[in-house]
Amino acid sequence: TQLLEQSPQFLSIQEGENLTVYCNSSSVFSSLQWYRQEPGEGPVLLVTVVTGGEVKKLKRLTFQFGDARKDSSLHITAAQPGDTGLYLCAGTMEYGNKLVFGAGTILRVKS
Amino acid sequence: DSGVTQTPKHLITATGQRVTLRCSPRSGDLSVYWYQQSLDQGLQFLIQYYNGEERAKGNILERFSAQQFPDLHSELNLSSLELGDSALYFCASSVGGLASETQYFGPGTRLLVL
Repeated sequence: TQLLEQSPQFLSIQEGENLTVYCNSSSVFSSLQWYRQEPGEGPVLLVTVVTGGEVKKLKRLTFQFGDARKDSSLHITAAQPGDTGLYLCAGTMEYGNKLVFGAGTILRVKS
Repeated sequence: DSGVTQTPKHLITATGQRVTLRCSPRSGDLSVYWYQQSLDQGLQFLIQYYNGEERAKGNILERFSAQQFPDLHSELNLSSLELGDSALYFCASSVGGLASETQYFGPGTRLLVL
C-alpha cells in the first residue's frame, strides 16, 4: 500500500487540453513536492509546497496543497507534447526525514 | 544536467554477485541519498548520508550497504544479488540534511541481474 496515492496512473490527451493529477494520503505531510521524470533520466523537482492551502504557479502548471496537508494536485493548462513524462508526488512527514514517493502518473500529450 | 554524476550507467551481472555503484554529489552538497526505482515498487528511498554520517534509513535490505567518503562521494554496495534487485538506482544530493530540501537526482544506474 502506497502512503501517497496518485491518480490517474496513466493519462493520454491531445495537445491543448487541460488535465489534473491528484496525490492523496491519509497522513499529514510537512511538505509536498512534485517531480517530472523523462525516460532515461532522474526526476527533476518542479515545486515544493509547505503550507496548507498553498497554491503555486509555474507557467502553465498550477500546484495546490490541501488545507489539511494530506493531499495535493497538479493542474496543467493547454498541455503540450513537451509535457510528456512521469509525474511524481513526494512528501516528507512531520516526524521523519525521508522522502516518500507516489507511484506516479504517466502523461502522454499527443500533437 | 543536475551536477550529480553516477557510474556506471549500465550494469549487467549474475545472481549471487556483488556490485558497487558510485555517486558524486553536486559541488557543495553535503547530503547524498540513494533510491531504487522498479516497475512494481516505484521510487523507494534506501538511505541518506550527511557529511559522512548516516542520517536516515529507508527500505534498504541487509544485503545492501552504503558509505560516504571524506570527499563526499558515495558508494552503494549490493551483494548476494537476486533477480528482484534488477532496477534503476538513483543517487540524489542536497545542500543540507533535510529530505524536504531540493534534491538533485543523477541520471541513474540501470542494474540487470541475470
